[in-house]
Amino acid sequence: DARVTQTPRDKVTEMGQEVTMRCQPILGHNTVFWYRQTMMQGLELLAYFRNRAPLDDSGMPKDRFSAEMPDATLATLKIQPSEPRDSAVYFCASGFSGAGTDTQYFGPGTRLTVL
Amino acid sequence: SQQGEEDPQALSIQEGENATMNCSYKTSINNLQWYRQNSGRGLVHLILIRSNEREKHSGRLRVTLDTSKKSSSLLITASRAADTASYFCATALQMQGGSEKLVFGKGTKLTVNP
Repeated sequence: DARVTQTPRDKVTEMGQEVTMRCQPILGHNTVFWYRQTMMQGLELLAYFRNRAPLDDSGMPKDRFSAEMPDATLATLKIQPSEPRDSAVYFCASGFSGAGTDTQYFGPGTRLTVL
Repeated sequence: SQQGEEDPQALSIQEGENATMNCSYKTSINNLQWYRQNSGRGLVHLILIRSNEREKHSGRLRVTLDTSKKSSSLLITASRAADTASYFCATALQMQGGSEKLVFGKGTKLTVNP
């Protein structure tokens, strides 16, 4: 049963610290998405990769957030320095972009708390 | 502002009743998808309806799409307590490179009471 995995599941850190979240997409998928979910804003798209190339990161605060795909099996989202307003659940999703109709498969999320 | 807006924000029904959730959106779409999220979990894809389709069924789920009104509805028939979750509509917008970007609404929180 193929699934998207995310680590860590929970992270508590102090303001100013670096946070790295990792995602392993489903094998064979060629798109990876990072989302942030909060009560106030709902689900927001932060970054989007296709075939490991970043296609859209317009939803991501550029000064402190960065997203990369070092290889096809790993996507990372880094926050440096972290701030209390970054507290949220961060989801990674993967999919296959072929005929243009993409279903996204979500990981369980990383719950980030910045104190 | 959100591309997709669900209505109502919260819905509480008794087991066995039907649940209807609505979604309105603003711009042209390639398709519209419904996802479900159990508390503390990731989203799970339920059903996709293309812009040239008007109705689609999957088990106890029925989705309609009215592109002239830019709206969709999700009907869950004969609801069960296990259907308790948040339901999100997501509109698929065409992006560069031929792929699609999903824009999610804020969801409808459904509670099915036993």
